[in-house]
Amino acid sequence: AQTVTQSQPEMSVQEAETVTLSCTYDTSESDYYLFWYKQPPSRQMILVIRQEAYKQQNATENRFSVNFQKAAKSFSLKISDSQLGDAAMYFCAYRGGNNDMRFGAGTRLTVKP
Amino acid sequence: SQTIHQWPATLVQPVGSPLSLECTVEGTSNPNLYWYRQAAGRGLQLLFYSVGIGQISSEVPQNLSASRPQDRQFILSSKKLLLSDSGFYLCAWSYDVRVYGYTFGSGTRLTVV
Repeated sequence: AQTVTQSQPEMSVQEAETVTLSCTYDTSESDYYLFWYKQPPSRQMILVIRQEAYKQQNATENRFSVNFQKAAKSFSLKISDSQLGDAAMYFCAYRGGNNDMRFGAGTRLTVKP
Repeated sequence: SQTIHQWPATLVQPVGSPLSLECTVEGTSNPNLYWYRQAAGRGLQLLFYSVGIGQISSEVPQNLSASRPQDRQFILSSKKLLLSDSGFYLCAWSYDVRVYGYTFGSGTRLTVV
């Protein structure tokens, strides 16, 4: 079964600085999708960015970008120019051939003014 | 545009009482529907998913059940709640989860007392 591991329960970053959240996964599949979700205090889950495994180019969405290392099964999220509104729980997720998505345990990001 | 509705937002129930959480999706047809549970400070655990009316797949055996009486309606139920059922329940839908990921409802915070 596929597993997703987020080894950083908590991270903090100074406002306007850059932070990287780590995620690794375990799979034997070759075709899959990876996602990062943000869960602010409102608890609403918000899709931040996604990456197709067959694409070598790293996905970017404004201040958010990923470092996808398929061989290493690593999928980190980089947040540039951090803002106070970025404070949230961030979940890494994997979607392969099954009809569901597997989530990591999450990383709580604190942004210091 | 597609929207997902989940209710109630908050629920406090005594041990042994029944449970019914409802989720509906608008603006799409034949969506894949999911129920997740998030324990305090932890990741998301898939409970059930459905790819069509009357089609329910269970991930974790427990005293919860799910039903899909209509194409865009997904219900999470229990006949007798346990203390361990407390948590945050999220409904999600996807047309093609591999491409678009999930769209989540706003969640239900369930406290069993």
